[in-house]
Amino acid sequence: EVQLVESGGGLVQPGGSLRLSCAASGFTFSNYWMTWVRQAPGKGLEWMANINQDGSENFYLDSVKGRFTISRDNAKNSLYLQMNSLRADDTAVYYCARDVLRFLKWHTDFDLWGRGTLVTVSS
Amino acid sequence: AIQLTQSPSSLSASVGDRVTITCRASQGITNTIAWYQQKPGKAPKVLIYDVSNLETGVPSRFSGSGSGTEFTLTISSLQPEDFATYHCQQFNSYPLTFGGGTKVEI
Repeated sequence: EVQLVESGGGLVQPGGSLRLSCAASGFTFSNYWMTWVRQAPGKGLEWMANINQDGSENFYLDSVKGRFTISRDNAKNSLYLQMNSLRADDTAVYYCARDVLRFLKWHTDFDLWGRGTLVTVSS
Repeated sequence: AIQLTQSPSSLSASVGDRVTITCRASQGITNTIAWYQQKPGKAPKVLIYDVSNLETGVPSRFSGSGSGTEFTLTISSLQPEDFATYHCQQFNSYPLTFGGGTKVEI
């Protein structure tokens, strides 16, 4: 089955760190750009970061640049998000998602999403 | 950053209604808009990519159109399973951004 499964969320104190993982299965993970998107409770979606197929290129939302690091291990079919210096406004469900190649063009949409993992930043 | 403003933020409709949701961009976008449907407690699901291309398996009652700074998602005849929140997203430039969402309620 083609799927993404996030893990690693939980309750963390402000200033703390957390590492999220996303396990991919059912497709050739190393062929795809991957991304992290979050959704604060009752709010809209917010793109966080993405990474290319071999991990040599990535982009970040300004508000997380320097605090969050996206990475991947293609041998383990896994995507990661290292989150440091967490703040209350980082509280959200974090989704990993697959970028899709359409008509030889990347970055048209995210066609596969995980179910998300909840991160709560609170003292 | 390109800001996307969706309108309305919520709407009430009935089964069989035609529904139109608008997504306005703060600057011109070159045909890189996607639309997603999200149901409570679930991950988003792509409906439309590149403004007007229907994702495989998505019913033909969904359609997308627009250009420049104004884009629309239309549901031609609302079905019970369509009550959900809809999000637009731009891929024109980084940071990739989403609209605020439109909740379609009964």
